[in-house]
Formats: sequence, C-alpha cells, structure tokens
Amino acid sequence: EVQLVESGGGLVQPGRSLRLSCAASGFTFDDYAMHWVRQAPGKGLEWVSGISWNSGSIGYADSVKGRFTISRDNAKNSLYLQMNSLRAEDTALYYCAKDTFGGGAMAPFDYWGQGTLVTVSS
Amino acid sequence: EIVLTQSPATLSLSPGERATLSCRASQSVSSYLAWYQQKPGQAPRLLIYDASNRATGIPARFSGSGSGTDFTLTISSLEPEDFAVYYCQQRSNWRGTFGQGTKVEIK
Repeated sequence: EVQLVESGGGLVQPGRSLRLSCAASGFTFDDYAMHWVRQAPGKGLEWVSGISWNSGSIGYADSVKGRFTISRDNAKNSLYLQMNSLRAEDTALYYCAKDTFGGGAMAPFDYWGQGTLVTVSS
Repeated sequence: EIVLTQSPATLSLSPGERATLSCRASQSVSSYLAWYQQKPGQAPRLLIYDASNRATGIPARFSGSGSGTDFTLTISSLEPEDFAVYYCQQRSNWRGTFGQGTKVEIK
C-alpha cells in the first residue's frame, strides 16, 4: 500500500524558515517524480514544486521561486521542502504527491498524503 | 506561466443529472491535462489523466475530452458521492498549475 506521510508543519513567524518532510512507502521511491502541492484555508490547490526521480529536473511555482528548495533522499525514501523567508500568504496545508508514471517527464499525481499545516503569523 | 480557467465556479444539479465542467488553458497544453476530485477534509483524487484516460478504479460515468486549450470533464449521471470540488491541472516544462476549481453541489 502506497503511503505518504508529511511532517514538519507548525506555527512560524514571518521571515523565518521551516523544513517539511514526506516519508514514502509501498512503492519504489526512486522510480518516481514527487511534488509538493498546497492549499490555503478555504482555497484551491496550488502546485508548489516538483522533482524528478534523480533530482535532475526541478520546478517551482513563481510564488515560491528563490525562497523554497525541494530535495529528495532516495536512500531514505524521503522528500523535503525547505521554506525560507516565509510570508503570511504561505499559510496552507502542504501535501506531498507522487507522480503516476515513472520516468523523466512530469506526470499527474496518483497518490497524496494527508498534508501538514503551515501557519505563518506573528 | 500557463493559466487554467474553470467554469462554472459552481454547478447546482440533482442526483442522476449530467454534469459538464470546463477547463480552458491560456495556451496549448497538448493533452497534458488531468482532473481531480476533492471532498471536504480529504486529499484530492486523480480522476482523469492526459485529457481522456480514466485513472485506476474510476467509474465509467466520469469521462474527459479535449486537447490544446479546451477541455471538458463529464459526469454522465451524478451519484450522491460525486458532489465535490473538481480541479483541472496541466503539466508542462516541470510546472503543474491547477485551475481554481468547480464546485458541484446538490440542487
């Protein structure tokens, strides 16, 4: 059974940093690209960042480029999101999601975690 | 950045009725368009990928069509469990933008 478990969320002041983690199990982690998607309270989905199976391809939404860094450790079956210079508008539930297909190209997301809540407030 | 515009924002229908949801892209996304369903308190669920392919376990009443810039998700006969929010998503050049969502509510 595929499982994605996010952690690392919490309350943080504007301008500070936070690191999210996603622990994956139930599939061959290093075969698939992975992504972070967020959802502000009562709002829609926003793709944040994605990383290919070998970290060779990485993408970011314009809203987080230069502030967030995605990474993965295939030996630990883990995905990370380093979030710096946090703003109030970064407040959201952050989901980890898995690509449907293996390979180098980005694919739709067939499995999602339950999310970790990040609240940016003074 | 490619922008996806979904319409209508809200669709009020009764069980058994047909639902037609639209997603328009600001530029061509070829067939790289997916549809997701999200219910309150739950993570999204993949319904359709590459415009017209049903994901694993998705009932046949869900179908997708379109290419280029105009796409449609059709639910042929609404079941009570289909009332939810639906999002389209495109993937190109390692960017995965979502539409703003269409809420399908019970009339």
